[in-house]
Amino acid sequence: EVQLVESGGGLVQPGGSLRLSCVASGFTVSSNYMSWVRQAPGKGLEWVSVLHSGGSTYYADSVKGRFTISRHISKNTIYLQMDSLTTDDTAVYYCARIRGYTTSLNYVDCWGLGTLVIVSS
Amino acid sequence: DIQMTQSPSSLSASVGDRVTITCRASQGIGNFLAWYQQKPGKAPQLLIYGASTLQSGIASRFSGSGSGTDFTLTISSLQPDDVATYYCQKYNSAPFTFGQGTRLEIK
Repeated sequence: EVQLVESGGGLVQPGGSLRLSCVASGFTVSSNYMSWVRQAPGKGLEWVSVLHSGGSTYYADSVKGRFTISRHISKNTIYLQMDSLTTDDTAVYYCARIRGYTTSLNYVDCWGLGTLVIVSS
Repeated sequence: DIQMTQSPSSLSASVGDRVTITCRASQGIGNFLAWYQQKPGKAPQLLIYGASTLQSGIASRFSGSGSGTDFTLTISSLQPDDVATYYCQKYNSAPFTFGQGTRLEIK
């Protein structure tokens, strides 16, 4: 069964850092494109970042230069390193698997349950 | 960047009604559009990809259409279990922007 389990969320002060983890099971993260999507309280979905199987990364303008997506192949885990956090980064962060490599398959077909990040003093 | 605009932002309909949600892209995106359903307190779930292909396991009352800039999600006969917020997402290229969502309620 394909499953994604996020962890690492919590309360952090503005300007601080946090690293989110997403452990995958039922497939290998190295063979898939993986993404992070967030949702602020009471708001809509916001795409954050994607990591291609070849290692290329892309970020939303709102997090570019502050967030870094990466993976640990042997742990079958992806990460989101979040630095210089602001209150606008408060959200549930979802880990997501992209269906496939080609453009026609670049949609999310599997979501984690999410982990809550609260940025507050 | 391409913007995705959904309408309406919210809607209330009766059980059995035909419901239509629209998503408009600020530039053409071919058919690289997905629809997701998110129930309260839950993670989103894929409904439709390629603008019109129903994801496996999704009820056939859901359908999608469109290409280029204008897309539609239709529920042919609204059921109580369909209460949720619906999002479109473009995936032709990064950033993979979502629409702002449409909240669907039962009247």
